[in-house]
Amino acid sequence: EAGVAQSPRYKIIEKRQSVAFWCNPISGHATLYWYQQILGQGPKLLIQFQNNGVVDDSQLPKDRFSAERLKGVDSTLKIQPAKLEDSAVYLCASSLDSPYNEQFFGPGTRLTVL
Amino acid sequence: LAKTTQPISMDSYEGQEVNITCSHNNIATNDYITWYQQFPSQGPRFIIQGYKTKVTNEVASLFIPADRKSSTLSLPRVSLSDTAVYYCLVGEGDSSYKLIFGSGTRLLVRP
Repeated sequence: EAGVAQSPRYKIIEKRQSVAFWCNPISGHATLYWYQQILGQGPKLLIQFQNNGVVDDSQLPKDRFSAERLKGVDSTLKIQPAKLEDSAVYLCASSLDSPYNEQFFGPGTRLTVL
Repeated sequence: LAKTTQPISMDSYEGQEVNITCSHNNIATNDYITWYQQFPSQGPRFIIQGYKTKVTNEVASLFIPADRKSSTLSLPRVSLSDTAVYYCLVGEGDSSYKLIFGSGTRLLVRP
């Protein structure tokens, strides 16, 4: 069974530029999560989708971050414009149908903002 | 947001039992407690999940007291490959969908 796929694996941009990350969850998983993990910290949930609807985006900085999950499968996370403090690893995870299920994480995208 | 608290780091030796505790004093009534393991440059990986009392699988045990305000992950006989960061994950407050990772415990297993 294929795992959660993310791209790109690494991205370097300058502040005020835009960037987008892509995630393809495990086939059949209804729930998709985006996390931000700053070096030395635990992952922080940014947004959670159930199919193509948003369940929780309370920690998403909506003035610069946006995410969508069209057709309830793939998802993209965008940052526009980026700030220095956005440097982190962005993790995508999916689970079968609820937060109680095991989450399967992708390898992450390491973003460096200069 | 509710805060979860874990020891920053722990040291152990191969073959020993390791117990890592997480405090989560605002856990929701219906929430489960889940533990994840993370190696450098990888996403977290599921270890074990429980609601109350004790759960055991092939790699770990999870102990949850009656008040559910804490949980203890027990790794029975650690090996060098268990060197990693361990996170507890719980829901928060009155919403099962607010998932809060702990700060993580960095476990170092020595030969």
